[in-house]
Amino acid sequence: AQKITQTQPGMFVQEKEAVTLDCTYDTSDQSYGLFWYKQPSSGEMIFLIYQGSYDEQNATEGRYSLNFQKARKSANLVISASQLGDSAMYFCAPLGSGGGNKLTFGTGTQLKVEL
Amino acid sequence: NAGVMQNPRHLVRRRGQEARLRCSPMKGHSHVYWYRQLPEEGLKFMVYLQKENIIDESGMPKERFSAEFPKEGPSILRIQQVVRGDSAAYFCASSPTDNEKLFFGSGTQLSVL
Repeated sequence: AQKITQTQPGMFVQEKEAVTLDCTYDTSDQSYGLFWYKQPSSGEMIFLIYQGSYDEQNATEGRYSLNFQKARKSANLVISASQLGDSAMYFCAPLGSGGGNKLTFGTGTQLKVEL
Repeated sequence: NAGVMQNPRHLVRRRGQEARLRCSPMKGHSHVYWYRQLPEEGLKFMVYLQKENIIDESGMPKERFSAEFPKEGPSILRIQQVVRGDSAAYFCASSPTDNEKLFFGSGTQLSVL
């Protein structure tokens, strides 16, 4: 079983600044993946970025990147050059190696981007 | 290529009624997942289905809840005799295989009066 901890219930960042959203996890799986999803106020869940536990490089997708520290079991999301449209809830979710996409979501971090 | 389609977007039911939530996965996706999101919480896994089969229903309440994914047509999440505690957003997601990222629908907001 996986356990996810997102310690920041709310974060504020100024437009054009970078922000880091924390995520730590606890898993006994040797091989696993980590997903980040964004949920704007409209409610849909939007895939942002994925990191495999055996990937040598930190994942990047446009303005999103992961600061993946396997030994510390953390996979923090970095958003560079924040935009007003980045205001949303952000969820971290690990995927175990047991087959099936039974993601376990954290409680999320509410990000607010200000002018 | 249309995304995951869920309907209705909002559903209002009185206590004791039945709620039926529908989900059409993305084209080519045969793996469907249902999640529930209570207010101020993250999504919680309910059930994982492939065509005509329930693979994992470990997150489903034992009573009143059922899910199906028939050979033809959408996946259905059915809640019988709804209670106020069933009020939540129900999300469906699909993937082409069992180990790829999930594509989510926009969710169905169920409100029980």
